[in-house]
Amino acid sequence: AQKVTQAQTEISVVEKEDVTLDCVYETRDTTYYLFWYKQPPSGELVFLIRRNSFDEQNEISGRYSWNFQKSTSSFNFTITASQVVDSAVYFCALISNFGNEKLTFGTGTRLTIIP
Amino acid sequence: DTGVSQNPRHKITKRGQNVTFRCDPISEHNRLYWYRQTLGQGPEFLTYFQNEAQLEKSRLLSDRFSAERPKGSFSTLEIQRTEQGDSAMYLCASSGTSGGDIEQFFGPGTRLTVL
Repeated sequence: AQKVTQAQTEISVVEKEDVTLDCVYETRDTTYYLFWYKQPPSGELVFLIRRNSFDEQNEISGRYSWNFQKSTSSFNFTITASQVVDSAVYFCALISNFGNEKLTFGTGTRLTIIP
Repeated sequence: DTGVSQNPRHKITKRGQNVTFRCDPISEHNRLYWYRQTLGQGPEFLTYFQNEAQLEKSRLLSDRFSAERPKGSFSTLEIQRTEQGDSAMYLCASSGTSGGDIEQFFGPGTRLTVL
């Protein structure tokens, strides 16, 4: 069985503040893939990043960074210098048991950036 | 490069009616997925095709639900004898042609309201 937990239901921060979205996952498989998606008010899910279980390097892309820690089964997402356009619901998701390619999503974190 | 498209974007129907949704994946993608998302939740997997073969169905997909991908290109999802509990956003996603291309790219969704 696999599970993704996003304990933060809603977060509000003032523009230009940094914010971290938490994601904790559960899987019995040794090979798995983690993802973050953004769902803006328009509703379409936008792929942000994929991380493989065998690659624990953290990644930075512009204002976005991701911290993958297998020891704590976490894959956290940080937005630096937040902007109003970052307001959205963010989902963490997992594919494990490769070949069984369904995404298991968390319940999402609604992020509101206050101008 | 066009993304995943879904039609219709919105569907309002009366309980007991049949509805059909269409998904056109990214043209070179051979894998196609259907998910359902209810308010405040993450998307839940329904079914998955590789080319025209339906490889997995969730237990969420009751006998009233059927999905097809007849020529390995577009897919349809039909719900027979709709119930109010079927009201949700139905999302389609596709992913790439080689084994490592497992990122799923989502369409805008079809929002179903059953009265």
